[in-house]
Amino acid sequence: EAQVTQNPRYLITVTGKKLTVTCSQNMNHEYMSWYRQDPGLGLRQIYYSMNVEVTDKGDVPEGYKVSRKEKRNFPLILESPSPNQTSLYFCASSGGAHTEAFFGQGTRLTVV
Amino acid sequence: GENVEQHPSTLSVQEGDSAVIKCTYSDSASNYFPWYKQELGKRPQLIIDIRSNVGEKKDQRIAVTLNKTAKHFSLHITETQPEDSAVYFCAASTPGRRALTFGSGTRLQVQP
Repeated sequence: EAQVTQNPRYLITVTGKKLTVTCSQNMNHEYMSWYRQDPGLGLRQIYYSMNVEVTDKGDVPEGYKVSRKEKRNFPLILESPSPNQTSLYFCASSGGAHTEAFFGQGTRLTVV
Repeated sequence: GENVEQHPSTLSVQEGDSAVIKCTYSDSASNYFPWYKQELGKRPQLIIDIRSNVGEKKDQRIAVTLNKTAKHFSLHITETQPEDSAVYFCAASTPGRRALTFGSGTRLQVQP
């Protein structure tokens, strides 16, 4: 089954404690992105990747890092989380910039 | 960069009525316009998309129209049903740039 898998689904952490949210896709897609969803703001892109070792900033990259060492994986790293990063995060993959994006199940992160 | 505005933010209709959601975009080079539906607690999923060489596209009760001159596109849902209740996002994609820019979302409530 074609899918995008994120882990964990829920995470509560404390300010400053480094965390990683994993994302994996099994569709051999080149494009992968991370979004955060906040009420009234829609989906805002954090980072995207067009292929292995190729990443670029989206609209709200501050406080986040990503890596793309393998085509299937695109982890999101918060080196020093802060309360304003409390949000719902989605990973997405697509075969190209102008094709359907497939989303993961989402990760609800709370930073206290 | 691209900016997508979406209206209304909430929409309540009676079952069987039609619903229309409108989006405007800023970059005239954008050429791909998908619509995503997000049910409560679920991931966004593509419901219909349109490319700039097409003015209208229909899929059963759902249709999307595109006016390139005015830089706006709309989602039309006819004969609405309670299961249409969800948040709908429009998006735009521009050649040579990062993936999708999303609108802020419309919460559609279909009253039985």
